[in-house]
Amino acid sequence: IVMTQSPATVSVSPGESATLFCRATESVRSKLAWYQQKPGQPPRLLIYDATSRATDIPARFSGSGSGTEFTLTISGLQSDDFAVYYCHQYNEWPRAFGQGTKVEIK
Amino acid sequence: EVQLVESGGGLVKPGGSLRLSCGASGFIFSSYSMNWVRQPPGKGLEWVASISSTGSHIQYADSLEGRFTISRDNAENALYLEVNNLRDEDTALYYCARDLGGLRGWFDPWGQGTQVIVSS
Repeated sequence: IVMTQSPATVSVSPGESATLFCRATESVRSKLAWYQQKPGQPPRLLIYDATSRATDIPARFSGSGSGTEFTLTISGLQSDDFAVYYCHQYNEWPRAFGQGTKVEIK
Repeated sequence: EVQLVESGGGLVKPGGSLRLSCGASGFIFSSYSMNWVRQPPGKGLEWVASISSTGSHIQYADSLEGRFTISRDNAENALYLEVNNLRDEDTALYYCARDLGGLRGWFDPWGQGTQVIVSS
């Protein structure tokens, strides 16, 4: 399974919303996670099972989708949210990550 | 606090070997599957290998061509990755991560990573 994220980069002003997309080449059901990675830090889990927020993740992060099409929406972007975001399927072997979407300040 | 700490990385010549370690604390290590994920400089995440809680089930990325071996010692709360016949393209930050779905789950948390540089 190949995971493709789009866009590669999205430019957003603080306070606006951003929608990130992740597409799988075959169905992964709802076995999809989203991670946030800032420079010099390991990835941090945001969303698992496509729609469930991880512990201590703010409500402005939301995930949707199933099968092959998934989205991560960040509402009311804050300065702390500018980072790279990765999707990850764990339905099939080999596990696979998307190539990442960079959310940058407009 | 759940914590994962990697070690064992370094500078190695092509064809060389290393043994990476990941020490776990703050949770019952023997109850969780574990994973290695790597990230080449400036690039994205690449899953490397996974091991079940007892070590009885193991999976590897095809691209490794049998050069890597994942193992664990539940008595020592430690995860390992033996990397052999290293190539330039193995240069990366290697992370260990806990699996929250019994070898079918998402990864949380991740360690800070250990750097492997392959260069002559």
